[in-house]
Amino acid sequence: QQQVKQSPQSLIVQKGGISIINCAYENTAFDYFPWYQQFPGKGPALLIAIRPDVSEKKEGRFTISFNKSAKQFSLHIMDSQPGDSATYFCAARPETSGSRLTFGEGTQLTVNP
Amino acid sequence: DTEVTQTPKHLVMGMTNKKSLKCEQHMGHRAMYWYKQKAKKPPELMFVYSYEKLSINESVPSRFSPECPNSSLLNLHLHALQPEDSALYLCASSLRSSSGRAVGELFFGEGSRLTVL
Repeated sequence: QQQVKQSPQSLIVQKGGISIINCAYENTAFDYFPWYQQFPGKGPALLIAIRPDVSEKKEGRFTISFNKSAKQFSLHIMDSQPGDSATYFCAARPETSGSRLTFGEGTQLTVNP
Repeated sequence: DTEVTQTPKHLVMGMTNKKSLKCEQHMGHRAMYWYKQKAKKPPELMFVYSYEKLSINESVPSRFSPECPNSSLLNLHLHALQPEDSALYLCASSLRSSSGRAVGELFFGEGSRLTVL
């Protein structure tokens, strides 16, 4: 019940295209859903996060869509750029755990020029 | 630039060595974490310190020994490691509520790349 399933494992997009990464979860106690971006040789950095009381959150070119009934959330990167090439991890944290952030397996995004 | 600073960035050690990884943050966060990350995998939680006390140990082998000397520093002491322990070790920090919950964003350092020969 603690798993977060992420797809696809890898994604290749042309510059200017839309990148879409999907995550699904089972644990209905999850109440915080962040997306992390990680470049090679760097630590993960928070990109955008959402709570279940909203269905969408947008920050610049990055949008999280959240479907509580389907227990799914997704990251959309509009106008994808080569600089967006990185590994993206979705994650979730249940209200009762305090500290345990459960990560998806990651998506390696490549944006071709 | 990350506000969580980790040293050293790279470490190579033999299986009989004793070494330490260090982490420092000055954001006033009272929760600090050690994660282990293997190539092409997500970070795996190892330890959590809350208000300088160890609150979570994810059944990590005793050859890894964490220490939190004060609210800004976190160490990970390494002894008699195995080659399979080679990985990127990430330190992170976050705010803590009065009830003990992690609050908001988890800030990661850039990691210490450990190679065990």
